[in-house]
Amino acid sequence: DIQMTQSPSTLSASVGDRVTITCRASQSISTWLAWYQQKPGKAPKLLIYKASSLESGVPSRFSGSGSGTEFTLTISSLQPDDFATYYCQQYNTYWTFGQGTKVEIK
Amino acid sequence: EVQLVESGGGLVQPGGSLRLSCAASGFTFSGYSMNWVRQAPGKGLEWISYITSSSANIYYADSVKGRFTIFRDNAKNSLYLQMNSLRDEDTAIYYCARCVGEVVPFDYWGQGTLVTVSS
Repeated sequence: DIQMTQSPSTLSASVGDRVTITCRASQSISTWLAWYQQKPGKAPKLLIYKASSLESGVPSRFSGSGSGTEFTLTISSLQPDDFATYYCQQYNTYWTFGQGTKVEIK
Repeated sequence: EVQLVESGGGLVQPGGSLRLSCAASGFTFSGYSMNWVRQAPGKGLEWISYITSSSANIYYADSVKGRFTIFRDNAKNSLYLQMNSLRDEDTAIYYCARCVGEVVPFDYWGQGTLVTVSS
């Protein structure tokens, strides 16, 4: 099974900050990686697919990079609506999620 | 507008059974693969099952294999999850989620239905 490890688990930041979340896969997954945003009481929302492709309608302040086993999600300028929990997901072999990164207000 | 609406959750005793439903609308249901994903209270996301558009291919996570059964009725635009031999650790919000195939992410999710396994 492919394991996904995110860091940090919690991130405290202010509006306007540049934020980076890291996701590592236990084996190479090429670029078969997605990022989701989840707010309390809501379903996850797809932000990024194929490591760096922005889902339609997602603001351009979100970007993704990486390949193989190391990936990052970057929010270039954190907005009030961005405080949420973010999950990476590999879909190279079945589907596995990281444990999540909560972005909270500093 | 794509909509996925889960139902059927509730309180069930350990060892009991429950059937979840997911009603789809706003897209051609028979053209998409579907999944069930769960989230234990305060925890992360866990994929548990996948079914292709024609039901030809079905996969399960090890945690539910042999206890849960995924199936669909394309004529009714509905996805189902039959859950047997339920355990305390099956307590979670269960989401249905759409995808276009196997090596793809999930582009639309339902709002979830809560299953609580407790005596």
